[in-house]
Amino acid sequence: GQQVMQIPQYQHVQEGEDFTTYCNSSTTLSNIQWYKQRPGGHPVFLIQLVKSGEVKKQKRLTFQFGEAKKNSSLHITATQTTDVGTYFCAGPGYGGSQGNLIFGKGTKLSVKP
Amino acid sequence: EAQVTQNPRYLITVTGKKLTVTCSQNMNHEYMSWYRQDPGLGLRQIYYSMNVEVTDKGDVPEGYKVSRKEKRNFPLILESPSPNQTSLYFCASSLSTGHTEAFFGQGTRLTVV
Repeated sequence: GQQVMQIPQYQHVQEGEDFTTYCNSSTTLSNIQWYKQRPGGHPVFLIQLVKSGEVKKQKRLTFQFGEAKKNSSLHITATQTTDVGTYFCAGPGYGGSQGNLIFGKGTKLSVKP
Repeated sequence: EAQVTQNPRYLITVTGKKLTVTCSQNMNHEYMSWYRQDPGLGLRQIYYSMNVEVTDKGDVPEGYKVSRKEKRNFPLILESPSPNQTSLYFCASSLSTGHTEAFFGQGTRLTVV
């Protein structure tokens, strides 16, 4: 079935270092969404990418959607302790998964001050 | 304020005792869904609903029931809970299926002993 794979599962960085998480889909996606879940919290929407090759920035966060619309990445420049949490990518399901929002398993980021 | 409200936030129950987790949204969204979150497994969809009286199974529906009698409410029912249903549950709503931002509730941490 349709899968969204995300790596790495965990990432530990020193404050000030950069961080990247990668997302790969087994199928072409019409769009990809990114969410952040703080420890003890719920997933919160960050951004949606729709166009092939699209790049969007939110302050220190840069989101990319691959040319083939099957992969995406989230890059954080100069991490801060406020960036701690789990980052999920998600794409719409198709066929038998229609109606689903298929989530990757997430990348858990910890930042050492 | 746009929100998704789940209740209860925490619940400890015994095997076999029926329980209901409520979910309500105030955004007039047509699409609602339930997820469970387990360590290392990410967010897995249990059931979803595209509108009133329209529900369908997600990836892990066994042992759960849902109903959608009103647009704003989407309760999750565990008729006979078992310990393997101990998990963190999230309700979510969105304007459309997988193509718009999903709003998540605060989560319900369920323990079945």
